[in-house]
Formats: sequence, C-alpha cells, structure tokens
Amino acid sequence: EAGVAQSPRYKIIEKRQSVAFWCNPISGHATLYWYQQILGQGPKLLIQFQNNGVVDDSQLPKDRFSAERLKGVDSTLKIQPAKLEDSAVYLCASSPRGGGVYAGELFFGEGSRLTVL
Amino acid sequence: GENVEQHPSTLSVQEGDSAVIKCTYSDSASNYFPWYKQELGKRPQLIIDIRSNVGEKKDQRIAVTLNKTAKHFSLHITETQPEDSAVYFCAASIPQAGTALIFGKGTTLSVSS
Repeated sequence: EAGVAQSPRYKIIEKRQSVAFWCNPISGHATLYWYQQILGQGPKLLIQFQNNGVVDDSQLPKDRFSAERLKGVDSTLKIQPAKLEDSAVYLCASSPRGGGVYAGELFFGEGSRLTVL
Repeated sequence: GENVEQHPSTLSVQEGDSAVIKCTYSDSASNYFPWYKQELGKRPQLIIDIRSNVGEKKDQRIAVTLNKTAKHFSLHITETQPEDSAVYFCAASIPQAGTALIFGKGTTLSVSS
C-alpha cells in the first residue's frame, strides 16, 4: 500500500515570497491533516479536513496560510507571504477514520522542509 | 483546549537499561493516547497506543500505562538497544476535533553501547 506522498521535499525561499506544498493521502483515507513541525518541537496541527470539508482550522494563521482539499483527495497548503518564523517541516497525515469521537493512528508523509531566508 | 506536557526533553541510557518517558494532558475528555517515534529526517511513526478504557498495554519491549485520574501516561522501553535512539512524541486526541492529535514537545532518547 502506498504511503502519504508529499512534495516538494525541500524548499528555500526569501521572506515575503509564496510557497505551496502538495499532499496525496493514502487511498481511501477520509481525513487529512497538515501539521507544522518547527525544529526541536512536536508537530502542531494547522488544519484538519474530513473529505473536502474543514473540521478544524483554529490554529491556521489565516492571514498568510491557506489550504484546500479538492474532491476530497489531494490537498495543497499555501503560505503567502512567508515569514522567517515559517521555517519548519510541514507534515501531511491521513487517517481512515471519517469522524466521530474515536481517534486512531495518523499516517504521516515524509514532510516538506521549508527554509525562509 | 487540550495541552500535552512531556518529560524529560532528553534522556541518555546505556544499552540494556530501561527508559521511561512521561506525559500529562489537560482535557479529561481525551480518549486516545499514541506514542510516535521519529528518527532524524524521517516521518513520525506509531509505535504503541492506548485508549482510555485500558490501563496498560504492552508490545514486546515497549509498554504504555495510563492513569486517567491523574491525567498522565508513560512510555516504558525495556532492554534498550542503540536502534531505539530517536525522538519520541506522546500525543492525545482533541475531543472537539474528532480524530486530530495534539503532540508533546518530544524526548530525545540516546542509547549508548
């Protein structure tokens, strides 16, 4: 079974530029997450989708970050304009669980490492 | 909202010793507590998890215990090996968000031979 695919793996940009990350979850997984992992810290939830609807985006800095999940499959996360503090690994994860109160394993991609200069 | 505290931030042990990592959570409604292992430059991978209706779970050299009253859970690794060296994250479910997880800040475990 193919895992969660992410691209690009690495990206270096200047501050105030824009960047986009792409994620393809495991086939059939209803729920998709974007996490931000700053060096030396645990992953921080940015946004959760169930199919193509947003479940939770309370931690997403909406003045500069946006995310979408078209047709309930692939997802893109965009940052515009980028700031120095956005330097991090952006992890995409998916879960077969479609909702309800019983959480389960998240399957992570390899991540997209962003460096903002 | 939910908050997860993890200790210690670094842990060094000799091969064959045991290692214990502890986490506390704030929301009594959380019902799922996984542990992830992340090797340098790699994705986090689930190593063991426990649900709120269970007090302890074991898988070979790894065990997790949960104390719902005190709102803390712990990872126990016995007979540590150099390949156990990695960053370990505890996590707790976010009841309001259904299936999302909030993570601790991680523990860097170093096992020396």
